[in-house]
Amino acid sequence: NAGVTQTPKFQVLKTGQSMTLQCAQDMNHEYMSWYRQDPGMGLRLIHYSVGAGITDQGEVPNGYNVSRSTTEDFPLRLLSAAPSQTSVYFCASRPPGYSYNSPLHFGNGTRLTVT
Amino acid sequence: DAKTTQPNSMESNEEEPVHLPCNHSTISGTDYIHWYRQLPSQGPEYVIHGLTSNVNNRMASLAIAEDRKSSTLILHRATLRDAAVYYCIQQPSGNTPLVFGKGTRLSVIA
Repeated sequence: NAGVTQTPKFQVLKTGQSMTLQCAQDMNHEYMSWYRQDPGMGLRLIHYSVGAGITDQGEVPNGYNVSRSTTEDFPLRLLSAAPSQTSVYFCASRPPGYSYNSPLHFGNGTRLTVT
Repeated sequence: DAKTTQPNSMESNEEEPVHLPCNHSTISGTDYIHWYRQLPSQGPEYVIHGLTSNVNNRMASLAIAEDRKSSTLILHRATLRDAAVYYCIQQPSGNTPLVFGKGTRLSVIA
């Protein structure tokens, strides 16, 4: 199994450009989420989804959109990139419903720089 | 906001045990305690979790206080590869997101 796969690994954008960070998992996990991590900081939750067709906002959702059309994929869209969105982005997933305390599985991250 | 309190940093000698403390004074009866760690330039990885009883796995042990207001992650023999940021998370029941704090940066000295 590939686990949680994030693409791209690195990306440089100019202010105002848009892009989509991809996240895919092959473990049939219903729960998926996006975090950002700024230097020296912990992870902050951007958006999460408890299943296909369902999304919700986390702590820092402004400037980001998500959708969940399939169980496998949970893309994160930046509509108009800003330098404040320079960060490392992590996607994570968790097994289905009954075991809400199952561990999160993280991807290796996407390092985004906005100039 | 993160509901747990951890020291910003700790240091350990290689081959010695490490006790990483965490305070979670607002914990409710159904909240679990989760521990994750993040190695340099990697995503976080799960270490261990528990509710009331002490827990052991191949990576670590988790000791939970009787009143559940604090817990300790125990690495039995620290290695250089254990140098990481360790996050203690108070996880409510239900399908809710994990909220990370800043964690404890563990340095291991050879």
